[in-house]
Amino acid sequence: AQTVTQSQPEMSVQEAETVTLSCTYDTSESDYYLFWYKQPPSRQMILVIRQEAYKQQNATENRFSVNFQKAAKSFSLKISDSQLGDAAMYFCAYRPDDKIIFGKGTRLHILP
Amino acid sequence: DTAVSQTPKYLVTQMGNDKSIKCEQNLGHDTMYWYKQDSKKFLKIMFSYNNKELIINETVPNRFSPKSPDKAHLNLHINSLELGDSAVYFCASSQGQGPYNEQFFGPGTRLTVL
Repeated sequence: AQTVTQSQPEMSVQEAETVTLSCTYDTSESDYYLFWYKQPPSRQMILVIRQEAYKQQNATENRFSVNFQKAAKSFSLKISDSQLGDAAMYFCAYRPDDKIIFGKGTRLHILP
Repeated sequence: DTAVSQTPKYLVTQMGNDKSIKCEQNLGHDTMYWYKQDSKKFLKIMFSYNNKELIINETVPNRFSPKSPDKAHLNLHINSLELGDSAVYFCASSQGQGPYNEQFFGPGTRLTVL
């Protein structure tokens, strides 16, 4: 079965510090996409970053970067220079085809 | 300017009622989705339509019936509402099928069944 596991239900980080959110997934597919979504209190789901499995290079988007380890089936999100606006639920998602499977989320708190 | 809109944003109703949630996208996308996010924040796909054709139909009670009158709309009708249907329902759209297409989400509809 294809699953996505986020082992950290909650995390806290000091403003301006760096934090890493973990995600592992289980699949027998070789080609797929991985995503991190942010859901702030407004409830809106916002795409943060995505990674194509066949690309070795880790994706980066400004302060957000991933550490994609295909063999280990690991896809962690690093947030640098954390800002108060980064406080949200973060969901890791795996998509091999039309379906998308989400992890249970990590709630990130930013401490001023 | 809203890309994916849902109405209503909040819906409170009694058990046993029938209700609909509407979704519209103005992005010209071909594919639309419905997701359910439960009280524990777990988000799960329910349905997917491509060009008004049903593509994904996850294990969802048949009380839930999606309807796509055209490419820009995907409505969700729920019959005989139950307490367990209380959740936030998200509509989303993407340019096409396939995992490389980014999904754009609506603001969600919080359904509360009393």
